[in-house]
Amino acid sequence: RKEVEQDPGPFNVPEGATVAFNCTYSNSASQSFFWYRQDCRKEPKLLMSVYSSGNEDGRFTAQLNRASQYISLLIRDSKLSDSATYLCGPSYNTDKLIFGTGTRLQVFP
Amino acid sequence: NAGVMQNPRHLVRRRGQEARLRCSPMKGHSHVYWYRQLPEEGLKFMVYLQKENIIDESGMPKERFSAEFPKEGPSILRIQQVVRGDSAAYFCASSPETGSGTEAFFGQGTRLTVV
Repeated sequence: RKEVEQDPGPFNVPEGATVAFNCTYSNSASQSFFWYRQDCRKEPKLLMSVYSSGNEDGRFTAQLNRASQYISLLIRDSKLSDSATYLCGPSYNTDKLIFGTGTRLQVFP
Repeated sequence: NAGVMQNPRHLVRRRGQEARLRCSPMKGHSHVYWYRQLPEEGLKFMVYLQKENIIDESGMPKERFSAEFPKEGPSILRIQQVVRGDSAAYFCASSPETGSGTEAFFGQGTRLTVV
């Protein structure tokens, strides 16, 4: 089983839609979790950190389920500018940050 | 405060040559990570370094690849005798010395093309 698994997508949604991505991780020692956003041919940029049960920032909500070992990202009222690849990354005690393959989101008008 | 700086941004090498990729972490950051990304694929962890120490190199190929983070100067990812399959984007990230859970910040990457 891969350390981090994500549905690669693409998720094609209309503007204004709500979309959710899941990310499962295999190492229960994971201490903290991050969602990064990566635009085409650009570097990943931090979107949200998740340290306890969840985190909310505007239209974005991240939730953590330690028992089932997954984190989710919910995007409400999707914008065209949300089109990107979303990477999840749990980190471990050693601070090594491993990423999933990413989920591609395409928002259309 | 400049972000993570990688150079060169683009590098072209012929098969068999050496490639040296440089990464200067953000000011105050002492942890450096290197990742490789093939087209249409995710980020693959290669190596995690602190100043003068390799902490985790479990993602590094056994041959031809090496990394260092000296006391002074940038971190270097070195690829000897490059082959076509080494063509990829190589991203460096850094984080401060504050323990587990600190997010990493990425450089703009070096795009290596082996011809």
